[in-house]
Amino acid sequence: EIVLTQSPATLSLSPGERATLSCRASQSVSRFLGWYQQKPGQAPRLLIYDASNRATGIPARFSGSGSGTDFTLTISGLEPEDFAVYYCQQRSNWPQFTFGGGTKVEIK
Amino acid sequence: EVQLVESGGVVVQPGGSLRLSCAASGFIFDDYAMHWVRQAPGKGLEWVSLISWDGGHIYYTDSVKGRFTISRDNSKNSLFLQMNNLRPDDTALYYCARDIDLSGSGRFDYWGQGTLVTVSS
Repeated sequence: EIVLTQSPATLSLSPGERATLSCRASQSVSRFLGWYQQKPGQAPRLLIYDASNRATGIPARFSGSGSGTDFTLTISGLEPEDFAVYYCQQRSNWPQFTFGGGTKVEIK
Repeated sequence: EVQLVESGGVVVQPGGSLRLSCAASGFIFDDYAMHWVRQAPGKGLEWVSLISWDGGHIYYTDSVKGRFTISRDNSKNSLFLQMNNLRPDDTALYYCARDIDLSGSGRFDYWGQGTLVTVSS
């Protein structure tokens, strides 16, 4: 099983600031990594797939980078609606898909 | 508009059975693979099962193999999860999720709101 470790567990920032979230895989996943956003009481929403491709309708302030074992989700300027939990997910070890433990982005 | 609506979640005793349903609308259902993903209360996401567009390819996470069965009825735009021999650690919100493609690439582009399964005596 590929284990995904996200850091930090919680990120406290103010609106307008830049958020940098990390996801590290226990073995290479090439570029087969996605990012999801989940707000309280809501279903997850796909933000980024295959490391750096924005999903349909996702604002340009969200960007993804990385390959192999180290990945980053960057939110270039936090909007009030961006405060949420973010999960990374690998699809390299198909079909045993796994998610990271999540990073909570909270208002400072 | 793509919509996925889950139903069937209830409180069930350990060892019991349950069938979850997911009604899909707003897209051509048999053009896409479908998944079940669960989330235990206050915890992260766990992929459970995948079914290809035609039901010809099915996969499960190890912890549910032999107990859960995924199926679909393309004539009714519906996805199902038959859950047998339920355990307390199966307690979770169960989401159905659409895959980006028909074979099941592991990219989940639309999700339902989930149905809660509680396994407790």
